[in-house]
Amino acid sequence: DTGVSQDPRHKITKRGQNVTFRCDPISEHNRLYWYRQTLGQGPEFLTYFQNEAQLEKSRLLSDRFSAERPKGSFSTLEIQRTEQGDSAMYLCASSSRRALNEQFFGPGTRLTVL
Amino acid sequence: AQRVTQPEKLLSVFKGAPVELKCNYSYSGSPELFWYVQYSRQRLQLLLRHISRESIKGFTADLNKGETSFHLKKPFAQEEDSAMYYCALSGQGAQKLVFGQGTRLTINP
Repeated sequence: DTGVSQDPRHKITKRGQNVTFRCDPISEHNRLYWYRQTLGQGPEFLTYFQNEAQLEKSRLLSDRFSAERPKGSFSTLEIQRTEQGDSAMYLCASSSRRALNEQFFGPGTRLTVL
Repeated sequence: AQRVTQPEKLLSVFKGAPVELKCNYSYSGSPELFWYVQYSRQRLQLLLRHISRESIKGFTADLNKGETSFHLKKPFAQEEDSAMYYCALSGQGAQKLVFGQGTRLTINP
C-alpha cells in the first residue's frame, strides 16, 4: 500500500497521560500536514512540514503538542498531559513537489481521552 | 481571515434528481478551492479542484469570485454519491487547507 499510513488507528488514554502518533507519508512526498477533526466539524489545520522543517503551526497547537519529522520522512505528533478536549480524530496528509496543493490523507488516529 | 462555510449539514435527495452542495468562502486574495469527499469507512479524498475544471464522477464546481462561492453540482444523483462532502480552500503558496464543516449527502432510492 503506497498511501499515507497512520499508527495507531485508535488510542484510548486517561487524562494526564502522554500519547504519540505516527504518520508515514507517501514515499517522496516532501510536505506533511497534521489536522484535527472533532465530531461534526471539518478538519482543522495543526501544523505542516516541508522535508524536516516545521514551517507553520496553528494557534490550536498549544505547548502540550509537539510534532517532529526528523529525517524528512515519517512524522510524530505528541500530546502531553492529555485533556478530555483533546479527544478527536488526528489526520495526517502529504503532498508532492509537483502537486503541492493536492493533499493525500491517511485514515486518521482516533484519540479518546477518558 | 480565511473561512469556508457550508450552510447545509445534511442534504437528502432522491436518486436521479439534481444535487447542489453549497460552499461560500472568505479570503483576501486568490484562493484555490477544492471539494473533498469521504465515503463510509474510507479516508478523505480529493474529488475536484477549481483549477482543473474537470468533471469527476459527474460532479462539477464553478468558482464564482463575485459571489465567493464554489458550489458542487451533479445533474443526476446516484446512490453511490452518498457521502460526506467538504469544501476547502488553500491560499497562495500551497500551504494549509481550510475546510468547511461538511455536508452529509444522502441519496434515497
